[in-house]
Amino acid sequence: DAKTTQPPSMDCAEGRAANLPCNHSTISGNEYVYWYRQIHSQGPQYIIHGLKNNETNEMASLIITEDRKSSTLILPHATLRDTAVYYCIVTGTGAGSYQLTFGKGTKLSVIP
Amino acid sequence: NAGVTQTPKFQVLKTGQSMTLQCAQDMNHEYMSWYRQDPGMGLRLIHYSVGAGITDQGEVPNGYNVSRSTTEDFPLRLLSAAPSQTSVYFCASSYSIGGGRNEQFFGPGTRLTVL
Repeated sequence: DAKTTQPPSMDCAEGRAANLPCNHSTISGNEYVYWYRQIHSQGPQYIIHGLKNNETNEMASLIITEDRKSSTLILPHATLRDTAVYYCIVTGTGAGSYQLTFGKGTKLSVIP
Repeated sequence: NAGVTQTPKFQVLKTGQSMTLQCAQDMNHEYMSWYRQDPGMGLRLIHYSVGAGITDQGEVPNGYNVSRSTTEDFPLRLLSAAPSQTSVYFCASSYSIGGGRNEQFFGPGTRLTVL
């Protein structure tokens, strides 16, 4: 699976959009980008995933660049409850894809 | 659906003791796994299973055993607990493997301390 790079921390004002970047320059054609988050001491929570098209669900939007080498997770109106560590994970198909590789992620702090 | 459940939530062991961490899911997921998370670190895969009767090792399998006799349950056994196994343990399950249906659902975790 391709390696990902994320900033270690970010701040966002409550009510503003939080834009979390992820670099995955070695991603291959059949690999997906998944985002999870972990709120303090809880189990990780799936947020969204995509292959090459932009995706949106009730939690967030995922913007993937045309060359697929980077992506941005957007929380449109951040709340204090969105304070968490956000993980960007690239995973492909086949047996190896089941094994998620969690890096250190981005610690997002939403500030009142 | 209860999702992924784990028991116990907290456990304290003495060095050398053995115990089993329980994990169950009611989503009929084929794929289940165990991760450990040490303070300030990301999750590391211990063991995983792609279906009943099939298990395999992850990144950090030493000192742990697993079995998968049913689709619902995936217990993790510590054979002889060591202080280095002090960690938070998460169980996860997934509907499918690979590609666009690999979103994993995690349990609330078991916090284990080995003295």
